[in-house]
Amino acid sequence: EIVLTQSPDTLSLSPGESATLSCRATQSSYLAWYQQKPGQAPRLLIFGASSRATGIPDRFSGGGSGTDSTLTISRLEPEDFAMYYCQQYGDSLFTFGPGTKVHMK
Amino acid sequence: QVQLQESGPGLVQPSETLSLTCTVSGYSISSGHYWGWIRQPPGKGLEWIGSVYHSGSAYYNPSLKSRVTISVDTSRNQFSLTLESVTAADTAVYYCAREGVGAPAFDSWGQGSRVPVSS
Repeated sequence: EIVLTQSPDTLSLSPGESATLSCRATQSSYLAWYQQKPGQAPRLLIFGASSRATGIPDRFSGGGSGTDSTLTISRLEPEDFAMYYCQQYGDSLFTFGPGTKVHMK
Repeated sequence: QVQLQESGPGLVQPSETLSLTCTVSGYSISSGHYWGWIRQPPGKGLEWIGSVYHSGSAYYNPSLKSRVTISVDTSRNQFSLTLESVTAADTAVYYCAREGVGAPAFDSWGQGSRVPVSS
């Protein structure tokens, strides 16, 4: 089973700053990123490691290679402060990482 | 625009069976895609439960496979989850979602159904 780790656990930033979130997998696999706000369902941001989902602003970008992936949010907007999860798919199994909370300083 | 809505009982007793249905609107289940269930215990992360195709072919998380069945009813444009022998550890918000075609990620989600397991 592929295991995902995310870092850091929490990011404290101000609006207008940039955020870089990391996700490491125990083996290379298909990767996606989601945003979740309290009381809401997750929203797909990035699939295939670097493709933005429909309607996602271009300040969200995905990158990385192999087992290491990153989600970058440039110029944080107030609505971007939320929880972010990475997700992998491999061997007919979806697994989610534990999440990174982006917190307003 | 596809929309998904979960429905089911608000409370399940320990050792009983949890049943939820997801009604899809704005898109025909028979048009393709896999359709899945994901859960989130209070204050915790996300766990994929399993997914089903319109043909009825399903695949499951090995950690839950012995207790889970996911089925589809194309005539009603619905798919359903049953989870047997529940315990307090199964208390969670249960989401139904659509898998992307050729892109194994969940691109549309229901709002979630909170299911406590308690006597």
